Amino acid sequence: GENVEQHPSTLSVQEGDSAVIKCTYSDSASNYFPWYKQELGKRPQLIIDIRSNVGEKKDQRIAVTLNKTAKHFSLHITETQPEDSAVYFCAACTSGTYKYIFGTGTRLKVLA
Amino acid sequence: KAGVTQTPRYLIKTRGQQVTLSCSPISGHRSVSWYQQTPGQGLQFLFEYFSETQRNKGNFPGRFSGRQFSNSRSEMNVSTLELGDSALYLCASSPDSPNNYGYTFGSGTRLTVV
Repeated sequence: GENVEQHPSTLSVQEGDSAVIKCTYSDSASNYFPWYKQELGKRPQLIIDIRSNVGEKKDQRIAVTLNKTAKHFSLHITETQPEDSAVYFCAACTSGTYKYIFGTGTRLKVLA
Repeated sequence: KAGVTQTPRYLIKTRGQQVTLSCSPISGHRSVSWYQQTPGQGLQFLFEYFSETQRNKGNFPGRFSGRQFSNSRSEMNVSTLELGDSALYLCASSPDSPNNYGYTFGSGTRLTVV
């Protein structure tokens, strides 16, 4: 069935270092890949997304890359700050399904 | 611009009871989706509605149902509650297809079944 694997489940980095979270999807027809950040006790918030016709997208310190052949996509956060500490979820969506398949989440801790 | 509003924020129910959760999407958003979030299973898709029509449904038992009204507001109902239904229920809205625009999530309704 449809599945999105996300790694690692937890990630600790020193402030100022980079963090990378990786996801693999199973449905080759998936064509939209959003990333959400969920702080403790708060709603998930969309931080960046990428479509299947694009290989990379960047927004300030955040970037996402997509490898359609390998069915991998990754979130890159540079110059991490304590406020980046949260749980990050990747997701994959296929046109016509109207649903997201979410990864299991990565708890990122940025140590000051 | 008001965000996605979910009511109530917290609920405590007894096994066997039923519950109705409400969601008001962002004004102009016609697609409303529901997800169940638990520590063990993560975010699981329940259903998606657009213009009062259910376009997709997740792998949940028939005890879980939903509907959307003409003003795009949505409700979900869980009947014959079980302990395992304890979770955070998140509503999300999108202008049309969540494939075209990312979701905006509400703050959720935390349901505890005792």
